[in-house]
Amino acid sequence: GAGVSQSPSNKVTEKGKDVELRCDPISGHTALYWYRQSLGQGLEFLIYFQGNSAPDKSGLPSDRFSAERTGGSVSTLTIQRTQQEDSAVYLCASSLGGGGEKLFFGSGTQLSVL
Amino acid sequence: GEDVEQSLFLSVREGDSSVINCTYTDSSSTYLYWYKQEPGAGLQLLTYIFSNMDMKQDQRLTVLLNKKDKHLSLRIADTQTGDSAIYFCAERNFNKFYFGSGTKLNVKP
Repeated sequence: GAGVSQSPSNKVTEKGKDVELRCDPISGHTALYWYRQSLGQGLEFLIYFQGNSAPDKSGLPSDRFSAERTGGSVSTLTIQRTQQEDSAVYLCASSLGGGGEKLFFGSGTQLSVL
Repeated sequence: GEDVEQSLFLSVREGDSSVINCTYTDSSSTYLYWYKQEPGAGLQLLTYIFSNMDMKQDQRLTVLLNKKDKHLSLRIADTQTGDSAIYFCAERNFNKFYFGSGTKLNVKP
């Protein structure tokens, strides 16, 4: 697509429920990143994909968080048993990979856990 | 680990120049970036500089890099109210990008 697309743009859920956040990167971009941005904070790295594999998952805050990428394209970030502290904007970004130096961001999913 | 630091706020008058500063710790960074985030939006790449350069100019934007001091700055000439946003500094090391906490630029008419 023309840009990085994320859905939903807003998600309100109850504590304890599972949520899935979707990211559709720019066509042809092999590298995909998930970041979390809490209110008034910078970006917290969560996970990085090169193709379908995730060589760096070091930023996932707990085992309630997981992500997958299929077909070298769409990625899903899943948060199980959501907690109030999971409330944040989840940003996805993609780049060409293999030395591609520009990172392009989607508009994010605002997650609110009540 | 890598650490990117920015001041939190900057306030300028319309028409003045804005200078947003950033320091980083990783001397092996290959690229350094400035991103802009408007309310409710994702981050938009403004400009970037390769680590072997010390200056890059792009219209109203000037990026200065002092590699010895690990200091990066973004100068916006003739700042407009539409420049009001949060500006993030970022560094790249291999395939990881590290971001500062952002500087909120407020432009007063």
